[in-house]
Amino acid sequence: KAGVTQTPRYLIKTRGQQVTLSCSPISGHRSVSWYQQTPGQGLQFLFEYFSETQRNKGNFPGRFSGRQFSNSRSEMNVSTLELGDSALYLCASSLGQGRDQPQHFGDGTRLSIL
Amino acid sequence: GESVGLHLPTLSVQEGDNSIINCAYSNSASDYFIWYKQESGKGPQFIIDIRSNMDKRQGQRVTVLLNKTVKHLSLQIAATQPGDSAVYFCAEWQRSGTYKYIFGTGTRLKVLA
Repeated sequence: KAGVTQTPRYLIKTRGQQVTLSCSPISGHRSVSWYQQTPGQGLQFLFEYFSETQRNKGNFPGRFSGRQFSNSRSEMNVSTLELGDSALYLCASSLGQGRDQPQHFGDGTRLSIL
Repeated sequence: GESVGLHLPTLSVQEGDNSIINCAYSNSASDYFIWYKQESGKGPQFIIDIRSNMDKRQGQRVTVLLNKTVKHLSLQIAATQPGDSAVYFCAEWQRSGTYKYIFGTGTRLKVLA
């Protein structure tokens, strides 16, 4: 079956703009998590959604937000973009929430801020 | 392709040899662990997982060992192939505070022909 799909693959924005990234989980998976990956910080947890509700949140400013739809698809929004937001944004889905639930990742959206 | 990490520890292994990649985890209460492989330009790919009630788990050409006493995880790859070249991450499930996976910094595996 199809894996996790993230769109777009690449995005270039300028400081101050906002951006929306999309994630379609594996069919039947109800949990979607978002991560930011940078060379300096590695993989950092942003938030997790399950049944359209944000269940957990990492240590990122309020400019980073997300939502999940009834079909489990998720979007992530970053407002007032900063240069430091340049990163690979990864979405991962799992059957359910939390422990013992292996997460399966998409190939990410590469966001570059000019 | 994109660089996952510019200053990752690197393990260079001759093709056909066995590889051992190590990971120290942070929380003694963590009870579930995953190894991921990330190739250039792609997202992390699930390799194998292990629960804390186990010391060892085997997959196809891979074995994960868990030493809870010293909070250490290792991934062994048998008969390493060029296609194994990638960055490998361990992840632990954190049950305190924010429930989330914590990822290690990663190890770059280079397979020499």
